[in-house]
Amino acid sequence: DAGITQSPRHKVTETGTPVTLRCHQTENHRYMYWYRQDPGHGLRLIHYSYGVKDTDKGEVSDGYSVSRSKTEDFLLTLESATSSQTSVYFCAISAGTGELFFGEGSRLTVL
Amino acid sequence: GNSVTQMEGPVTLSEEAFLTINCTYTATGYPSLFWYVQYPGEGLQLLLKATKADDKGSNKGFEATYRKETTSFHLEKGSVQVSDSAVYFCALLNILTGGGNKLTFGTGTQLKVEL
Repeated sequence: DAGITQSPRHKVTETGTPVTLRCHQTENHRYMYWYRQDPGHGLRLIHYSYGVKDTDKGEVSDGYSVSRSKTEDFLLTLESATSSQTSVYFCAISAGTGELFFGEGSRLTVL
Repeated sequence: GNSVTQMEGPVTLSEEAFLTINCTYTATGYPSLFWYVQYPGEGLQLLLKATKADDKGSNKGFEATYRKETTSFHLEKGSVQVSDSAVYFCALLNILTGGGNKLTFGTGTQLKVEL
């Protein structure tokens, strides 16, 4: 199994509070991604990174920011959480070959 | 832009039945195509892939053929088992600016296999 750890795995928070999700990899892969999974939408890309300090927006980036200060860590931050951001968030990594390896997901509930 | 459309679920089958989950795509050129599977409480994992037209991907008894004429990549299995119960996602590969790639996913099809 690819070495990907997401934390926290579950979080309940209130509207307006900041939230940070962490993705840690031990594979030394260059590319890292944050997706969200919602019923009826499949998985949608939020942000991705193609190297340390190199990040770009995906299709649903509004309300989210990311940072990657080390190869192994990719952080997703919700500056002020809203109920529409209740979702399951998946981190994925890739060596650039086309195959993505996914973490186990972080379930976020915003009340 | 590129997109993937797959049949809605849930699909409920009896064990040993034949499975087909339809997937069609819209894309510029001929992107690589994938099927991912998600078991309950887990992340997605690659099931099979095809990188060019007429390629057949296969794994664990599942197969899918890349058909450029019909822009399709339907997933099939001749005899499903209860352990195949999961959500199946069709996806295509996009090349990103800055390098790397991303997957565009369909909405997923839930499969339930009963004894």
